[in-house]
Amino acid sequence: DIQMTQSPSSLSASIGDRVTITCRASQSINNFLNWYQQKPGEAPKLLIFSASSLQTGVPSRFTGSGSGTDFTLSISSLQSEDFGTYYCQQSFTTPRTFGQGTRVEIK
Amino acid sequence: QLQLQESGPGLVKPSQTLSLSCAVSGGSIISAAKAWSWIRQPPGKGLEWIGFVFQSGNTYFNPSLKSRVSISVDRSTNQFTLHLYSVTAADTAVYFCARTPNWVDAFDIWGQGTMVTVSS
Repeated sequence: DIQMTQSPSSLSASIGDRVTITCRASQSINNFLNWYQQKPGEAPKLLIFSASSLQTGVPSRFTGSGSGTDFTLSISSLQSEDFGTYYCQQSFTTPRTFGQGTRVEIK
Repeated sequence: QLQLQESGPGLVKPSQTLSLSCAVSGGSIISAAKAWSWIRQPPGKGLEWIGFVFQSGNTYFNPSLKSRVSISVDRSTNQFTLHLYSVTAADTAVYFCARTPNWVDAFDIWGQGTMVTVSS
């Protein structure tokens, strides 16, 4: 199985801050990397697919980058509604695997 | 607008079979996706992919569950179903159904999730 490792596990930031989350795959996955946001009690929501493509309806403050084994999700200016847990997920091979999650808290 | 809705018992006894259905509305289960998946999340933990069924009927499962799981599509009811056999307390989780669309390999539409507890 491909292991996905996110860092940090949690972070606290202020409104307007730039936030960066990293995701590392245990082997190259080209650009087969997706990012999701999950709020408590809700299903995950797709934010970014294929490493850098913004899902329809997702604000442009979210950007994804990377290829191979190292990826980042950035929020250019954190908003109050951006709290939650963020997961990366590889779609390079089965079994599909997720990172352990990064919890984002608003200061 | 395509929507997914899980249904099934919220409590299952150890060693029994967990069966959940996902109703697809707003589109045909035959053509609205490349694949249909089940994903679960134990309380307070991360996401685990269980498996998916393709339009062709081919299925792929997480090796950690492979011997205990099946997924099938019922075209007549526009639903797909998960069966997880010989459950234990470790199978207690919120279970989500999700779609992989034809145009990208990601989970773009999710059901709201249903909590299943395994307990006697």
